[in-house]
Amino acid sequence: TQLLEQSPQFLSIQEGENLTVYCNSSSVFSSLQWYRQEPGEGPVLLVTVVTGGEVKKLKRLTFQFGDARKDSSLHITAAQPGDTGLYLCAGAYGSARQLTFGSGTQLTVLP
Amino acid sequence: GAVVSQHPSRVICKSGTSVKIECRSLDFQATTMFWYRQFPKKSLMLMATSNEGSKATYEQGVEKDKFLINHASLTLSTLTVTSAHPEDSSFYICSARQGIYNEQFFGPGTRLTVL
Repeated sequence: TQLLEQSPQFLSIQEGENLTVYCNSSSVFSSLQWYRQEPGEGPVLLVTVVTGGEVKKLKRLTFQFGDARKDSSLHITAAQPGDTGLYLCAGAYGSARQLTFGSGTQLTVLP
Repeated sequence: GAVVSQHPSRVICKSGTSVKIECRSLDFQATTMFWYRQFPKKSLMLMATSNEGSKATYEQGVEKDKFLINHASLTLSTLTVTSAHPEDSSFYICSARQGIYNEQFFGPGTRLTVL
């Protein structure tokens, strides 16, 4: 069973601050996704990374995939209250159809 | 594209009754759908993988006779919670797989409350 560790579990910051969320595994991902979920709604796909060392940007969000494809990070610049939500990383291993989800990071951005 | 709907969005039922939740892929065909359960402020817990035209694959600890899954078409999977009890109260979310990178697109979820 693959384990996917996500940290931190909870994060509360002031508007305008920067933050980074980490996702680590002992196994190699064939692909990794980041999702964001708001209360009472389903997760929404933010990005998919597949190549070691890959960096993708989505406005103020920067996603990085580790060179060995075992870890990933999400960096948010100048966080806003609208960024508040549960951030989930999810990895696919080998040819598996399922995703293994991290434990999630509950982000609260205070105005 | 890649829109998934889920119905109903919330349901309240009495203990002992059965509840059916529908998951539809609106603009694509999905041979594989997934059913998750989520507790407050927690991550998603995979319950089962729904395969079009064949039996669902259940995760360890999930009772297949209690959580009946049917995937009769390429756009519809249903989850029926049979003889529901208060401990079955939860947020149930479905997703449909699309693309070569196993990306999943999620429905908006169903809040089930069993009295």
